[in-house]
Amino acid sequence: EAQVTQNPRYLITVTGKKLTVTCSQNMNHEYMSWYRQDPGLGLRQIYYSMNVEVTDKGDVPEGYKVSRKEKRNFPLILESPSPNQTSLYFCASRKGTGSAYEQYFGPGTRLTVT
Amino acid sequence: AQSVTQPDIHITVSEGASLELRCNYSYGATPYLFWYVQSPGQGLQLLLKYFSGDTLVQGIKGFEAEFKRSQSSFNLRKPSVHWSDAAEYFCAVGARSNYQLIWGAGTKLIIKP
Repeated sequence: EAQVTQNPRYLITVTGKKLTVTCSQNMNHEYMSWYRQDPGLGLRQIYYSMNVEVTDKGDVPEGYKVSRKEKRNFPLILESPSPNQTSLYFCASRKGTGSAYEQYFGPGTRLTVT
Repeated sequence: AQSVTQPDIHITVSEGASLELRCNYSYGATPYLFWYVQSPGQGLQLLLKYFSGDTLVQGIKGFEAEFKRSQSSFNLRKPSVHWSDAAEYFCAVGARSNYQLIWGAGTKLIIKP
């Protein structure tokens, strides 16, 4: 089954404790992206990757890091989480780099930073 | 500036009633237009998209949307909603010249029994 998986689905952590949210897709998609969703703000892009070893900042990259060492994986790293990073996070992938392609989303990771 | 506006944060409709969710955009280029749905506890799923041609597009789950260039709108409609349609709906805009989508803030649909 074609899918995007994220782990963990739920995470409660404390300020400053480094964490990684994994994302993996099995569709051989070139483009992958991370979003955060906050009430009233919709989806805001954190980082995106056009292909292996090619990443770039989205609209809200501060406090986050990413890497794309393999085509299927695109982990999101919070080196020193803060309470304002409490949010619902989505990983997405699409076949091509153009915005016309359908995006496939993971189920989301709900992160709480205390 | 490029933007997408979904004027309604919440909409409540009775089961079996018709539905229209509004989406207005401001975009310099010829837009690609999308509607995605987020069911509770799940990721987003594409409902339908418009690139060119017939301005009335059909999607999955009985939804349709109409592109009106003169009004910069791409409203989503369904003739008769079901309880399973309760979800959050997002409008998004892209373009040939742009890798990224611009997202609306979402409209939460509540279905009354």
